[in-house]
Amino acid sequence: DTGVSQDPRHKITKRGQNVTFRCDPISEHNRLYWYRQTLGQGPEFLTYFQNEAQLEKSRLLSDRFSAERPKGSFSTLEIQRTEQGDSAMYLCASSSDQGETEAFFGQGTRLTVV
Amino acid sequence: QKEVEQDPGPLSVPEGAIVSLNCTYSNSAFQYFMWYRQYSRKGPELLMYTYSSGNKEDGRFTAQVDKSSKYISLFIRDSQPSDSATYLCAMIDYNFNKFYFGSGTKLNVKP
Repeated sequence: DTGVSQDPRHKITKRGQNVTFRCDPISEHNRLYWYRQTLGQGPEFLTYFQNEAQLEKSRLLSDRFSAERPKGSFSTLEIQRTEQGDSAMYLCASSSDQGETEAFFGQGTRLTVV
Repeated sequence: QKEVEQDPGPLSVPEGAIVSLNCTYSNSAFQYFMWYRQYSRKGPELLMYTYSSGNKEDGRFTAQVDKSSKYISLFIRDSQPSDSATYLCAMIDYNFNKFYFGSGTKLNVKP
C-alpha cells in the first residue's frame, strides 16, 4: 500500500474557474477527511466521510465547495467559481475504524488562484 | 478561545539538544492525541499516536499526555538537522468526526 494519494499535486487556475481534486485513501480505510491549510497555519477541517456518507461538514465551507465519496473509496473535492482566497494546500487523510485508528495524510494539492 | 493552543515558535536549538514541544487544549472530550511532522510544502507525517495519559516512546521521540491538565508534549532527544520542520499536534474525540490541530511549531536544529 502506497499510502494516501492526492491528485493533482499542484493546480493553478484563473479566478472564476471550477477545480476538482481527487483523493485515494489507504485501502480499506473507511474514514476520509478533507482539510485546508494556509501558510503558517495548522490544517483547517473541511469535511468528513465514513464510507460513502458525509457525516460532518465545516460551517466555514461555502456553497461553492462540494465533496463526494460515491463508492466509499476515493473522494473528490470540487470548488466552483474559485476566488483568490481559495488559494491553499488541500489535504486529504484517511483512517480505519478497526484496530489502529490513527489518520494518515496525503501530500496535498496546492491550489493557486490567479 | 481556540480548541487547541500551540506556540508557533520558531524554536531554534543546536544539534544534539533535547527539544520539548507542547500543546494545551480545552475540550475534555478529546481522547486520542497525535503529533505530526510537516516539511515545507509537504503533507503532515504521523509521528506519534497516543490514547491514554502517560508516556509513549518511539526511538528518539517521546509523547506525553496529561489529561488532567489538558496538556500534551513531544520530546525529541539527540535532535538532528533533519528534524527541522513544523510540528503539529492534533486531537480527536471518540466520534472521530474531526481532528483539531494546533497551529504548528516551527523547529530549526542547527548543525
